[in-house]
Amino acid sequence: DTAVSQTPKYLVTQMGNDKSIKCEQNLGHDTMYWYKQDSKKFLKIMFSYNNKELIINETVPNRFSPKSPDKAHLNLHINSLELGDSAVYFCASSQPPGTKGEGELFFGEGSRLTVL
Amino acid sequence: SQQGEEDPQALSIQEGENATMNCSYKTSINNLQWYRQNSGRGLVHLILIRSNEREKHSGRLRVTLDTSKKSSSLLITASRAADTASYFCATVIGGSNYKLTFGKGTLLTVNP
Repeated sequence: DTAVSQTPKYLVTQMGNDKSIKCEQNLGHDTMYWYKQDSKKFLKIMFSYNNKELIINETVPNRFSPKSPDKAHLNLHINSLELGDSAVYFCASSQPPGTKGEGELFFGEGSRLTVL
Repeated sequence: SQQGEEDPQALSIQEGENATMNCSYKTSINNLQWYRQNSGRGLVHLILIRSNEREKHSGRLRVTLDTSKKSSSLLITASRAADTASYFCATVIGGSNYKLTFGKGTLLTVNP
């Protein structure tokens, strides 16, 4: 019954490796997001997709590649991991304001990535 | 760039007391939202206030918005230990409805 679910919850890997995080929402929302939360809890938007179309790309290194196979799924693949990529990555979904709701975000529980 | 800035960064109170957190932002907004994050969990939406509203209530929460000062406050009345969490304000900027920009948060600790 989880609204926004992301896997894995924890990821520990070596520098240079490639890893993926998956996200699924069962809320019927059109828009999905990836946010990165650093060790100081600062939350920064990375990407946003609306109905499988990329609409926000916040100057994220191209080692990060999001993919949305359908509007209920948004995955994040990271190539050549670096130490600075260590963070908690949150997936979220929403409906655009003016439709159902006003753009409130529903978050997953986060995926804690540790790069050694 | 960061839009919202919460104040204080950390707040420690006793159960039963009221907690007030403030948020300042830089540019005109469509709405302002408050979220709670318990340790190790995702963010949970608490309340949304539109730019043409001045005050909103939801249970023990009261939010005010002053667009002339570009600031908002979140008041939690009769706090409980379970209110211990980080609280974030987030703004939706006009013309970019899909982009919610978060502040750095206030860590609230409610001591039993």
